[in-house]
Amino acid sequence: DQQVKQNSPSLSVQEGRISILNCDYTNSMFDYFLWYKKYPAEGPTFLISISSIKDKNEDGRFTVFLNKSAKHLSLHIVPSQPGDSAVYFCAASRMDSSYKLIFGSGTRLLVRP
Amino acid sequence: GAVVSQHPSWVICKSGTSVKIECRSLDFQATTMFWYRQFPKQSLMLMATSNEGSKATYEQGVEKDKFLINHASLTLSTLTVTSAHPEDSSFYICSAANPNSGSYEQYFGPGTRLTVT
Repeated sequence: DQQVKQNSPSLSVQEGRISILNCDYTNSMFDYFLWYKKYPAEGPTFLISISSIKDKNEDGRFTVFLNKSAKHLSLHIVPSQPGDSAVYFCAASRMDSSYKLIFGSGTRLLVRP
Repeated sequence: GAVVSQHPSWVICKSGTSVKIECRSLDFQATTMFWYRQFPKQSLMLMATSNEGSKATYEQGVEKDKFLINHASLTLSTLTVTSAHPEDSSFYICSAANPNSGSYEQYFGPGTRLTVT
């Protein structure tokens, strides 16, 4: 049972345009969500997070939106840069669950120059 | 952000031998560390959660006798793959967290590529 889903395995975007990465979850008990960026043969790097009491969190070019009723979150990157090309994982957590993260399957983003 | 290191970064071993992977938090005290494995083009799968000074909690389907986890200090956790077999070949990643800081963020190590021949 996949509790966190990223249905798009890949996304290609032109440099300067907006990249939108989507994530859906099934467990309504999740109350904290994170996005990580990962390069091959490296560990994930934290990008941005959001708690369930908010519907938007912004940090520079990165904005995460949370729609609790739809159990959906998205990561917007604008403007996209070639250096953003990587695999992006969303992760979900329950604050009462010893901080365990449940990861989605990832979306590979390619930003074309 | 905090720095987490892993050693070795890659290792090749023969079937039947044991391999130890170290995970260190370099600039903060990690009361909780996590071990993940990732198969090619797949997600990170949580294997176990270890809290300093106590036994690890393993996820369903993970053999505790095969994947021995020790978290003896606030800066070091080790994963030992015992009697390794080719199907254990994978990318193993650790992460560290400090729940006492109020942050839910996990800081990941660079990973260890294990190849069992």
